[in-house]
Formats: sequence, C-alpha cells, structure tokens
Amino acid sequence: NAGVTQTPKFRVLKTGQSMTLLCAQDMNHEYMYWYRQDPGMGLRLIHYSVGEGTTAKGEVPDGYNVSRLKKQNFLLGLESAAPSQTSVYFCASTVNRVEGMRSGANVLTFGAGSRLTVL
Amino acid sequence: RKEVEQDPGPFNVPEGATVAFNCTYSNSASQSFFWYRQDCRKEPKLLMSVYSSGNEDGRFTAQLNRASQYISLLIRDSKLSDSATYLCVVNIGNNDMRFGAGTRLTVKP
Repeated sequence: NAGVTQTPKFRVLKTGQSMTLLCAQDMNHEYMYWYRQDPGMGLRLIHYSVGEGTTAKGEVPDGYNVSRLKKQNFLLGLESAAPSQTSVYFCASTVNRVEGMRSGANVLTFGAGSRLTVL
Repeated sequence: RKEVEQDPGPFNVPEGATVAFNCTYSNSASQSFFWYRQDCRKEPKLLMSVYSSGNEDGRFTAQLNRASQYISLLIRDSKLSDSATYLCVVNIGNNDMRFGAGTRLTVKP
C-alpha cells in the first residue's frame, strides 16, 4: 500500500499563478485534511473533508479551494498564489468505517509533504 | 485565541533526563487527543493516543485532564533519538483535527 501520496513534492510559482496539489490515499479513509506548516507555527488546518463530495473550512481557509469528487482524492487549489502561501503543505487521512472504532481510528496518516514557494 | 496552545520550548535536556510537555485546548467538547512526533522536514507520525485514564507506552506517559482542559506527555530516561518536535493534536469536534504549535526537544549527550 502506498498510504497517502502527495503530488507535486516541490513547486515554485510566480505571484498570481494558479496550481493544484493532489492528495491520494488507498486506505479507504473517509476523512481527509490539508494542513500548512510554517516555521514556528505548527500545522494549521486549511480545509478538510468528512466524505466524498463534502468539504469544510479549517483554521486558515482563505486563498484556497478544495474538492473531494472521489473518495480517494482530495485536491487543494490556489487560484491566485501569493508569497504568503509559501509553505510546506501536508495532506492527511483517517477513519476507515469498515474497521470502525478499533485501535487506530482517528489516527492521522500523513503524506510526505509538498514544498511550495511563491515568488 | 487558538484552539490548541502548546509551549514551543525549546527544551534542551541531557540524556537520561525526564521531560514533560503540556498542551491546553479551548473547546470543552473536544473528543480525542493525540501526541505526534515530527522529525526535521518530515511528516508528523503518531507517538501515542491519549486516553481519559492516562496511558503509558514504554518511557512515554500521556495524561488527559478534562476539567482543566489540558493533555501532557512525560518522557523518562531521555535518549538522543528522542530529539524531535512533539505536537499535540485535538479533535475539537466533527473530526476537525487541530495541532498545537509543537515543542522542540533536543537531548544532548
């Protein structure tokens, strides 16, 4: 199993450009999350999804959009990138309803991160 | 006010020391609690879940105090390999999973 895969791993953008980060998981997880991590700030939740076709705002949603058209994929879009969006982005997923509340439920599995630089 | 507050440290301790981290949360309806470990430039990985009665995993002990709304992590007999950033994570409701800012620990020989 690949677990959680993020693409691309690195990207450099110019201010105003758009891009999409893809998160894919093969664990049949219901919930998926996008976080950003800046130095000294920990991980801040951007958006999350509790199932296919659903999305919800997190702590820092402005400037980002998300879509969850397929259960296994969660896309994070930047319509008009700004230097303040330079960060490391982590995707995570959790909860397999078939497994229910056995040990490990609600444990986040992370992708390896995507480093985005906006010039 | 942030949902989850954590002392950023840094904590610099000698090998063999005992060190404790605390994390407070603001939503009394928060449902589940975790400690994650993050090594430099890597993704966070689960260290342990935190249960109401407290739980231990080897040298690590986690505790939850719902009345005061904080969780703690105690590391005994620190090893060089324990050097990392420790992140508390709280499910504040509806599976909205929030992180503290992380506490950096350096264990020195």
